[in-house]
Amino acid sequence: DVKVTQSSRYLVKRTGEKVFLECVQDMDHENMFWYRQDPGLGLRLIYFSYDVKMKEKGDIPEGYSVSREKKERFSLILESASTNQTSMYLCASSLWDRVVGANVLTFGAGSRLTVL
Amino acid sequence: SQQGEEDPQALSIQEGENATMNCSYKTSINNLQWYRQNSGRGLVHLILIRSNEREKHSGRLRVTLDTSKKSSSLLITASRAADTASYFCATAFNYQLIWGAGTKLIIKP
Repeated sequence: DVKVTQSSRYLVKRTGEKVFLECVQDMDHENMFWYRQDPGLGLRLIYFSYDVKMKEKGDIPEGYSVSREKKERFSLILESASTNQTSMYLCASSLWDRVVGANVLTFGAGSRLTVL
Repeated sequence: SQQGEEDPQALSIQEGENATMNCSYKTSINNLQWYRQNSGRGLVHLILIRSNEREKHSGRLRVTLDTSKKSSSLLITASRAADTASYFCATAFNYQLIWGAGTKLIIKP
C-alpha cells in the first residue's frame, strides 16, 4: 500500500532543461516536504508546505520552486537544471500529531536526478 | 541546517550481534526520531522519543535520550541481514526536523 508516490525513480536531464518532480500522497496529510540527499550531507530541506497554495522556503531553496495546487500533490520544479542539482530528491508528507506533539514523516521512494 | 550528528559513520557487525548508533545534537528539542533507509530508497520512521522520556522500546529497537548531554542512542539487538541500511536521527523543535548525516550499518552473514 504505497502512500507517498514520486512520479519518477530515475531521470536524466540536460543542463538548462526545466524539470518537474511530482509527489502525491493519499493520506490526507496537511504537510508536505521536498528534501535533497547527497552523500555525507544528510537530508537538506528545499521547500515545505503546510496547506494548499502555501509554501515556505527551507534551507536550500535557490534554483528550485514548488507548487501545491491540491492537498495531495506537491511538485518540485527546477527552472533551469544545472549539474550541481544532480542528487536524490525525497518527498515526504506528515500530519501534526497533537497527542505526541510531533511531525512524523512518511517518505516516497525517491527520485534520482542526473543532470548532464 | 544539520544538527544531529551520528556516530559512527559506518558500522559493520556479524549477524546476531547488537548494533549501537549514537546521535548528538546542539539545541533544545521537543522530540527525537530515528529513521531507516534501505539502499536507494526513501526513509522509514522507526521510533520517536519525546524530550521528557529517557528510554523507549519497539521490538528489537531500544532508544535512549539524554537531554543533559544532548545525545541519543539507537540499539538494535540480535541483528539480521535485513537490518543492513542507513540510520538517521532527526531532532524536532516545533514543526521542523533537522537531520544528521546518518550511520551506515552492514550486517555480515
